[in-house]
Amino acid sequence: GESVGLHLPTLSVQEGDNSIINCAYSNSASDYFIWYKQESGKGPQFIIDIRSNMDKRQGQRVTVLLNKTVKHLSLQIAATQPGDSAVYFCAEGKNRDDKIIFGKGTRLHILP
Amino acid sequence: NAGVMQNPRHLVRRRGQEARLRCSPMKGHSHVYWYRQLPEEGLKFMVYLQKENIIDESGMPKERFSAEFPKEGPSILRIQQVVRGDSAAYFCASSLGQALLNTEAFFGQGTRLTVV
Repeated sequence: GESVGLHLPTLSVQEGDNSIINCAYSNSASDYFIWYKQESGKGPQFIIDIRSNMDKRQGQRVTVLLNKTVKHLSLQIAATQPGDSAVYFCAEGKNRDDKIIFGKGTRLHILP
Repeated sequence: NAGVMQNPRHLVRRRGQEARLRCSPMKGHSHVYWYRQLPEEGLKFMVYLQKENIIDESGMPKERFSAEFPKEGPSILRIQQVVRGDSAAYFCASSLGQALLNTEAFFGQGTRLTVV
């Protein structure tokens, strides 16, 4: 079965608020974690990644947190905008294995 | 520099026909990955190819599915004798090097296959 899963299938957030999307993984051997954004009818778009030797990584308006103790990954989006509406997938992989394994996704709804 | 190009965007096939999905990687990219996505699901890995080589096909069904990435031309995912269960979105991604070694994999817009 899938080694990457998500806590919530749908998340509704007020525009301007911060969004937190969570992900649980079960493969402690994964070296690399990635967040993708997928808009309707489009392919996944890389957002941010983090290696297993890091706890936190920041990008533009996004932050990824990795807690290896509880095998938990989160994506924080600051000041959520209507354009952030999409399905967000976490994914994982190992350096020696080029497969990227995707979770099922969280749909983010932005409320006006 | 065009992104990953997949065609057709939509493909309708009758049961028993063959489906051919094409993927042209980004310029300079020699690594191609194919994924399948069912509605409301994540992407499932199918196959990883480099030019003229299949590196990892552990996600490919044992029968009816094949993939190639010739020296010249696009990568092709071929599904023979399609069945309704093959209906899905098929995504291709390409990368400059091994995707998990400091390079990003860029995804195409996908081909949506419908088997009627």
